[in-house]
Amino acid sequence: QQQVRQSSQSLTVWEGETAILNCSYENSAFDYFPWYQQFPGEGPALLIAIRSVSDKKEDGRFTIFFNKREKNLSLHIKDSQPGDSATYFCAANFNMGYKLTFGTGTSLLVDP
Amino acid sequence: ETAVFQTPNYHVTQVGNEVSFNCKQTLGHDTMYWYKQDSKKLLKIMFSYNNKQLIVNETVPRRFSPQSSDKAHLNLRIKSVEPEDSAVYLCASSYRAANTEVFFGKGTRLTVV
Repeated sequence: QQQVRQSSQSLTVWEGETAILNCSYENSAFDYFPWYQQFPGEGPALLIAIRSVSDKKEDGRFTIFFNKREKNLSLHIKDSQPGDSATYFCAANFNMGYKLTFGTGTSLLVDP
Repeated sequence: ETAVFQTPNYHVTQVGNEVSFNCKQTLGHDTMYWYKQDSKKLLKIMFSYNNKQLIVNETVPRRFSPQSSDKAHLNLRIKSVEPEDSAVYLCASSYRAANTEVFFGKGTRLTVV
């Protein structure tokens, strides 16, 4: 049973476009939602995160939009660059939880 | 350099052998994890340790056994590997506090032939 789902396995955008990566979850008790970025041969690295008390979190070109009622969130990458080509994982956790649950991942390709 | 370090980077072994992977973190964290990433890139937690104590043990076959000598080290032993054990094993660490960043190592790629 996949508790965190990402709707697209892969996504291709042109350089300069906004990439939108979608994520949904099942457990209403989740209250922390980080997005991780992973390049080939590397471990995932935290990109940006949001808590369930917020509906938006922005950090430079990266923005998370969060909808608690619908139990979904999205990561927007503005002005996408070829260097953003990577796999992006949506994740979820409980407050003080020891178990970060990852989504299935979206492989983003930014074409120059 | 402060980070999560894993050895070896790669390991190829035959079915039935025993393997061990090492992990060390120099970030001063009190919690460490093992995750398994399969060929489809699915990431699943296997174990969590806080200050050398096992906290989370997901439904993992008994041939997998984690070992922690102190809060900076968490090793993973697999007795009698099977083909489905082929994957990347990622070690990670964090502070035991609400919503803190989890830092990952680069992983150990295991291939069972």
